[in-house]
Amino acid sequence: NAGVTQTPKFQVLKTGQSMTLQCAQDMNHEYMSWYRQDPGMGLRLIHYSVGAGITDQGEVPNGYNVSRSTTEDFPLRLLSAAPSQTSVYFCASSPWGNEKLFFGSGTQLSVL
Amino acid sequence: EDKVVQSPLSLVVHEGDTVTLNCSYEVTNFRSLLWYKQEKKAPTFLFMLTSSGIEKKSGRLSSILDKKELFSILNITATQTGDSAIYLCADWCGSQGNLIFGKGTKLSVKP
Repeated sequence: NAGVTQTPKFQVLKTGQSMTLQCAQDMNHEYMSWYRQDPGMGLRLIHYSVGAGITDQGEVPNGYNVSRSTTEDFPLRLLSAAPSQTSVYFCASSPWGNEKLFFGSGTQLSVL
Repeated sequence: EDKVVQSPLSLVVHEGDTVTLNCSYEVTNFRSLLWYKQEKKAPTFLFMLTSSGIEKKSGRLSSILDKKELFSILNITATQTGDSAIYLCADWCGSQGNLIFGKGTKLSVKP
């Protein structure tokens, strides 16, 4: 089973560039979310979705956009990258109403 | 505001020691508390606690929840170098329908 798949694993951007972090899950989970992890900060929620066509903001949504056109995919878009967005990004999913999240392996992003 | 506070933030012990990691929480519409272990990459699930006083156990790891005092502890007995990791505590925030994470406890086990 693939579970939650994130691509790319590593990315270096220049300030102002845009990019999309991809996340796909094959478990038919309704709930998907994006977290960022910075040293000493734990995991902070960026955006989440409870089903196709439904998204909402988390704790730190500024500078990020999401969409959910299918149950399987939940891409995270950086419209104009900033050094403050240098972080490790995790995508996670679960069946709706089930608190146990399944995490992808993460994307390490550096913005210069 | 919903929040989860873990202590200590870092801890260094020697193999064989027993450690206790703490997690206190303030969340609306509490449903469950979860513990994750994070080594190099993705967090991996350890325990989910929903009821007070019922210990969850897996090998040398155990955890318990106190819903009256709003905290949980994670115990690791006879620590090994492989236990070195960041341990994350998270609460399901019912008002938002999301997991709220603490900052984590970085455990280092020296041989």
